Amino acid sequence: KAGVTQTPRYLIKTRGQQVTLSCSPISGHRSVSWYQQTPGQGLQFLFEYFSETQRNKGNFPGRFSGRQFSNSRSEMNVSTLELGDSALYLCASSQKTRSSADTQYFGPGTRLTVL
Amino acid sequence: QKEVEQNSGPLSVPEGAIASLNCTYSDRVSQSFFWYRQYSGKSPELIMSIYSNGDKEDGRFTAQLNKASQYVSLLIRDSQPSDSATYLCAAGGAGNNRKLIWGLGTSLAVNP
Repeated sequence: KAGVTQTPRYLIKTRGQQVTLSCSPISGHRSVSWYQQTPGQGLQFLFEYFSETQRNKGNFPGRFSGRQFSNSRSEMNVSTLELGDSALYLCASSQKTRSSADTQYFGPGTRLTVL
Repeated sequence: QKEVEQNSGPLSVPEGAIASLNCTYSDRVSQSFFWYRQYSGKSPELIMSIYSNGDKEDGRFTAQLNKASQYVSLLIRDSQPSDSATYLCAAGGAGNNRKLIWGLGTSLAVNP
């Protein structure tokens, strides 16, 4: 089974621009979660989508948004980029079959650099 | 505020030794616990999940869960230099609290 894929792998943008990142989950997985990871900050939860609906949201400004399509693929968008948005953005997919938290499988990430 | 705490390390062990990584969590209703390994510049990869009190073994890895004391640990037997990485612990609840809470990770260095 193919793993989680993320595109692009690397991105360089300038302040004020916007960016869209894409994630394709493992086949059959319906839940996609997004995380931001910066040195010393650990994994910061952005949002989770399940069946095209946002189910959970982290404490990020409204410049960060996302969506999920009917095929479970997900995109996240960051508008008006700031230097502090430079980070590794990770997507994780899960099956969402248990009543408790499911195992998440991570994609390779998108390394975003804002200049 | 729900938290998962890990000693940041670095934890340094000689090759062949047992590495012991610990994690405590604050939310008593947490039901699912996960250990991930993350190499520098790479994404986290799952090592093991554990849901019930006691030990769970998978190869050289053993996860231990004690819900009464709210801690979960990971033992790595016969540590290898390739085990040098950051180990992330995560805890998740049930129902509407299924979102995973992540620790900041423990850096492990296995010295040849």
